[in-house]
Amino acid sequence: DAGVIQSPRHEVTEMGQEVTLRCKPISGHNSLFWYRQTMMRGLELLIYFNNNVPIDDSGMPEDRFSAKMPNASFSTLKIQPSEPRDSAVYFCASTLQGWNSPLHFGNGTRLTVT
Amino acid sequence: AQSVAQPEDQVNVAEGNPLTVKCTYSVSGNPYLFWYVQYPNRGLQFLLKYITGDNLVKGSYGFEAEFNKSQTSFHLKKPSALVSDSALYFCAVRDRGNTGGFKTIFGAGTRLFVKA
Repeated sequence: DAGVIQSPRHEVTEMGQEVTLRCKPISGHNSLFWYRQTMMRGLELLIYFNNNVPIDDSGMPEDRFSAKMPNASFSTLKIQPSEPRDSAVYFCASTLQGWNSPLHFGNGTRLTVT
Repeated sequence: AQSVAQPEDQVNVAEGNPLTVKCTYSVSGNPYLFWYVQYPNRGLQFLLKYITGDNLVKGSYGFEAEFNKSQTSFHLKKPSALVSDSALYFCAVRDRGNTGGFKTIFGAGTRLFVKA
């Protein structure tokens, strides 16, 4: 089991540029979550998918953020255009849908927007 | 909506001493509670969960947690702390989203420092 795989590990970009973060969930998991972590706001749930369908995107901060899950093994989080306040660590996590299944996290993408 | 609170930003303990990291919860219905740990530059790792049954739950790395329904608490404990336990600890609750599916709500986190 390779775990949840995120890429890239680090991303440095200039304000206004498009940023795409990638996630490969654990095989067999049917729920996928995108979280953002900052010192000020802690862990924020951005969006989650069940069976590749977006269920709740109420945590997405602005229309500049979008997420897709074209199949069970791949998801992207896109920011266009990026701004300095988007700088954070973005985590992807996967699990089996249900009350008692724990989340499995990737190691995150550290995004810096200058 | 479900929520958890971690009242301490930081906990300091000497190696070999017992440690407690506090968590209180607010839920409607049965609570489904979790503890996670985060080491530097890593994602969160699952430690243990309470679903039903015994109030004392045992998990990874010698950690355990005590579920107390009357106090709505789910404190994380370890009898003897190690320096390597120094990390960021998150309490979490599973919630049923308004639009379906299940989501996990995290507390603000507590940083544990274990001094040699």
